[in-house]
Amino acid sequence: AQSVSQHNHHVILSEAASLELGCNYSYGGTVNLFWYVQYPGQHLQLLLKYFSGDPLVKGIKGFEAEFIKSKFSFNLRKPSVQWSDTAEYFCAVNGGKLIFGQGTELSVKP
Amino acid sequence: DAGITQSPRYKITETGRQVTLMCHQTWSHSYMFWYRQDLGHGLRLIYYSAAADITDKGEVPDGYVVSRSKTENFPLTLESATRSQTSVYFCASTGLAGANEQYFGPGTRLTVT
Repeated sequence: AQSVSQHNHHVILSEAASLELGCNYSYGGTVNLFWYVQYPGQHLQLLLKYFSGDPLVKGIKGFEAEFIKSKFSFNLRKPSVQWSDTAEYFCAVNGGKLIFGQGTELSVKP
Repeated sequence: DAGITQSPRYKITETGRQVTLMCHQTWSHSYMFWYRQDLGHGLRLIYYSAAADITDKGEVPDGYVVSRSKTENFPLTLESATRSQTSVYFCASTGLAGANEQYFGPGTRLTVT
């Protein structure tokens, strides 16, 4: 069965710190990969997506993610976080149905 | 350009009552989805629809009913609400099931007392 695992439930960083959020999935076939963000009180918005090609994908607001097929991973990164990045981040994998990870809450201290 | 809307945004109901959450999209997307969001579980798929009059169960369908008589609407009904159905419900839509990202509505916060 398809599943998605996000390693960190809650991450606390200071502004300007670097961010890496882990995401691993289990699925044997071809997948499309997504990172969504949910700012406090708002709906989910797409940060970035990977379908094929260059495994390093760039999204909005300076985020990027790297697909490592051999590790079944799709980690999200940002070199320098801002207070406005405080949100919940969801990794999602679509191998037929879109399955979400449990989410990682990011708190950025000013 | 409204996109995808949900109503009501907030709802309090009593155990045993029937309640319907509405979802409307203006993009003519084929696929529509209902998720519930709970702490520690992320988003879980309740039901989805590939087109008008075509619906299918997701991960957690028990206690819910959906219909899709028109492409733009996808109501979710809790036939007899239970406290365990207290959650935030998100509707989403997409033109293609797998290839494209899903677009989410603002959510409905439902409390069952």
